[in-house]
Amino acid sequence: EPEVTQTPSHQVTQMGQEVILRCVPISNHLYFYWYRQILGQKVEFLVSFYNNEISEKSEIFDDQFSVERPDGSNFTLKIRSTKLEDSAMYFCASSEGWQVGRSNQPQHFGDGTRLSIL
Amino acid sequence: TQLLEQSPQFLSIQEGENLTVYCNSSSVFSSLQWYRQEPGEGPVLLVTVVTGGEVKKLKRLTFQFGDARKDSSLHITAAQPGDTGLYLCAVRGNTDKLIFGTGTRLQVFP
Repeated sequence: EPEVTQTPSHQVTQMGQEVILRCVPISNHLYFYWYRQILGQKVEFLVSFYNNEISEKSEIFDDQFSVERPDGSNFTLKIRSTKLEDSAMYFCASSEGWQVGRSNQPQHFGDGTRLSIL
Repeated sequence: TQLLEQSPQFLSIQEGENLTVYCNSSSVFSSLQWYRQEPGEGPVLLVTVVTGGEVKKLKRLTFQFGDARKDSSLHITAAQPGDTGLYLCAVRGNTDKLIFGTGTRLQVFP
């Protein structure tokens, strides 16, 4: 069964450094997402991406964050200058489609990247 | 206040016991999803419920959507150690982002 893959599985970075988290969504999916889960807390939405642009972002997704689909397969999350509070599991997800008020296609999640900021 | 409150927060039981976990909100949703997340992995979708009062079964798991579509329950019959994990409910409002509940962490001991 196709799956969303994320690399690396664990990233350790010094505070203030830039980090790029990588995701390969399922190949025929059109919608892409990033979520994060701080240790012991709930999964939180960061950003959704469709048709090569951001469709929605949360308050967490400030100017330090950016997303990109540099080619036909990868979907990346960049944190420009990391802070201690960016330490979390970051999950990428993808889905075939979505439409308001409809029973929609599910989002498939990767196994996450554990980001540790020192 | 949390949009989706799950209870209990933690649950430790012996193999063979039955259990029910809850997902509650004051808001009405067009659908609700249940996920299970195991350590070191991402959430995996178990079921989507759409219609008020709907009941769906997945082997020993029974999911129910409240009549008013504000709450849901997950009942596990004869729990097994393999059921151990974090159970999350989630909804989509008028956008495609998922809003997750606070989670119930289940531990089933052999």
